[in-house]
Amino acid sequence: SQQGEEDPQALSIQEGENATMNCSYKTSINNLQWYRQNSGRGLVHLILIRSNEREKHSGRLRVTLDTSKKSSSLLITASRAADTASYFCAADPGYGANSKLTFGKGITLSVRP
Amino acid sequence: EAQVTQNPRYLITVTGKKLTVTCSQNMNHEYMSWYRQDPGLGLRQIYYSMNVEVTDKGDVPEGYKVSRKEKRNFPLILESPSPNQTSLYFCASGFRDRVNQPQHFGDGTRLSIL
Repeated sequence: SQQGEEDPQALSIQEGENATMNCSYKTSINNLQWYRQNSGRGLVHLILIRSNEREKHSGRLRVTLDTSKKSSSLLITASRAADTASYFCAADPGYGANSKLTFGKGITLSVRP
Repeated sequence: EAQVTQNPRYLITVTGKKLTVTCSQNMNHEYMSWYRQDPGLGLRQIYYSMNVEVTDKGDVPEGYKVSRKEKRNFPLILESPSPNQTSLYFCASGFRDRVNQPQHFGDGTRLSIL
């Protein structure tokens, strides 16, 4: 079953606006990762937040993590048309016998010029 | 340049004709994994490998085989492909003996099984 579930499934905004995407997961994690996928291409790692962190910034990206609610959010500020892509969260349980990232189904972000 | 390379990028073939999708990484990663991506289903893991000669089933392993004879290579084998294996496939690699490390993805292989 999918560990990460993103919300909303699709988001359309105007260039310059902020985009907020949410992710929920089911079990304990070591970290939560966000990836971006341009159409027809592979996933590119954006940002990783550890389970003991609550907020992290990277350029125009801001990610938060609430382990009590098992949820994370990704905020893209001052969006650009080039941010149009699919975004995935991935829950990482950490190294172990059954260690694997489990991805959500993704959020399709469209940024209108 | 650090990368994960998949071949072929596109393949159209027929039911029952064995095929292999190769995956190679040049980052000395222990961990390698195969995913398939289907509309509405997201990314689902097929098989993964924690190191050479160590492989494990993911969520959807039926109809697939893998091998890990060398650290850099992790081929995906479809012994008798069927139309329901038509999908977009991704190989990924990463360090698993170091916590908090992201995975690196190849550009994908689009398989069409007729």
